[in-house]
Amino acid sequence: DIQMTQSPSSVSASVGDRVTITCRASQGISNWLAWYQQKPGKAPKALIFGTFNLQSGVPSRFSGSGSGTDFTLTISSLQPEDFATYYCQQANSFPRTFGGGTKVEIK
Amino acid sequence: QVHLQESGPGLVKPSGTLSLTCAVSGGSITTSNWWTWVRQSPGKGLEWIGEIFHTGNINYNPSLKSRVTISADKAMNQFSLKLNSVTAADTAVYYCARTPLVGGLIDYWGQGTLVTVSS
Repeated sequence: DIQMTQSPSSVSASVGDRVTITCRASQGISNWLAWYQQKPGKAPKALIFGTFNLQSGVPSRFSGSGSGTDFTLTISSLQPEDFATYYCQQANSFPRTFGGGTKVEIK
Repeated sequence: QVHLQESGPGLVKPSGTLSLTCAVSGGSITTSNWWTWVRQSPGKGLEWIGEIFHTGNINYNPSLKSRVTISADKAMNQFSLKLNSVTAADTAVYYCARTPLVGGLIDYWGQGTLVTVSS
């Protein structure tokens, strides 16, 4: 299985801050990388697919980059509704695997 | 707008079988999508269980493959999950979801249902 490692596991930030979350795959996955946002008690919400493609309706302050094994999710200006846990997921091979999550908390 | 809704018992005894159904509305399961199950243990991360295409093609997580069966009912527009020989480690919120044929992004999710394994 491809292991997905996210860092940091949590980050404290203020509204307006730029936040970057890193996801590393244990082997190359080309651009087959997705990002999700999950709020407490809710299902994950799709944010980005194919490393950098925003899902319909996702604000442009979210962006993704990377290739191969190293990927990032950036929130350019953190908004109150962005406080949540973020997960990466590889779609290169089976089984699909997720990162351990990064919790974005209010500073 | 596709909507997915899980249903099934919230409590299963150890060594028993967990059975869940996902009703799909707003679209047919015979479209170009994989119909997916994901679970999340309390306070933990996400685990992909498997997926089914309406043609009958199925992909399972090898870690669960010996205990899992995913099936689809085109007439009822729903798909199902069975997990046998459950233990407390199978206690989790189970989500059904949709994965388009291309891209691998899980784009629609059900609200999730908590299944507790306990005697």
